[in-house]
Amino acid sequence: GAVVSQHPSWVICKSGTSVKIECRSLDFQATTMFWYRQFPKQSLMLMATSNEGSKATYEQGVEKDKFLINHASLTLSTLTVTSAHPEDSSFYICSARVKSSYEQYFGPGTRLTVT
Amino acid sequence: RKEVEQDPGPFNVPEGATVAFNCTYSNSASQSFFWYRQDCRKEPKLLMSVYSSGNEDGRFTAQLNRASQYISLLIRDSKLSDSATYLCVVITGGQGFSFIFGKGTRLLVKP
Repeated sequence: GAVVSQHPSWVICKSGTSVKIECRSLDFQATTMFWYRQFPKQSLMLMATSNEGSKATYEQGVEKDKFLINHASLTLSTLTVTSAHPEDSSFYICSARVKSSYEQYFGPGTRLTVT
Repeated sequence: RKEVEQDPGPFNVPEGATVAFNCTYSNSASQSFFWYRQDCRKEPKLLMSVYSSGNEDGRFTAQLNRASQYISLLIRDSKLSDSATYLCVVITGGQGFSFIFGKGTRLLVKP
């Protein structure tokens, strides 16, 4: 149980385009999902916390207009990187919090390369 | 003092050794604690929860010391496959809870 999927697993896009990443909890309902970014050999950095049916809460320094988050249902959250630039190239990982628990389960991540 | 601190390592140990990591936290109101394991270029995976009474899962033992505000992870009989980065997570708050990840401790188990 507690499986989280992410799609796509990797994507290469041109500078200026937008990329949408999907995060799904497959066998449980996730009232809260988290989006992280991790640069090579760096630690996880929380970008935003997403609660179903409400606006995401962004961490300081994360541009909400650039990283659009939608949590439309209890099993799906999306992150859209708008007008991507090479410096946005990173490993983007989502996680979902199990309802009534503090356990977080992570998706396999999406490796984004912007050329 | 940072909210959650871990020694980045790397801890280089021979196969079969016992190794322990600590993770200190600054908020005394923190209420839940976890250890995650992250392999290179992979997502973190939940290793174990840390209970007040401590808990053990095979070769892994996690303990909580509230007085000194740290959690620990002990790995006995290290295997080559234990090589990874170990992240501690501290949860603080009630309704407005926050998850704070440590930066991780890298473990390298060598033959």
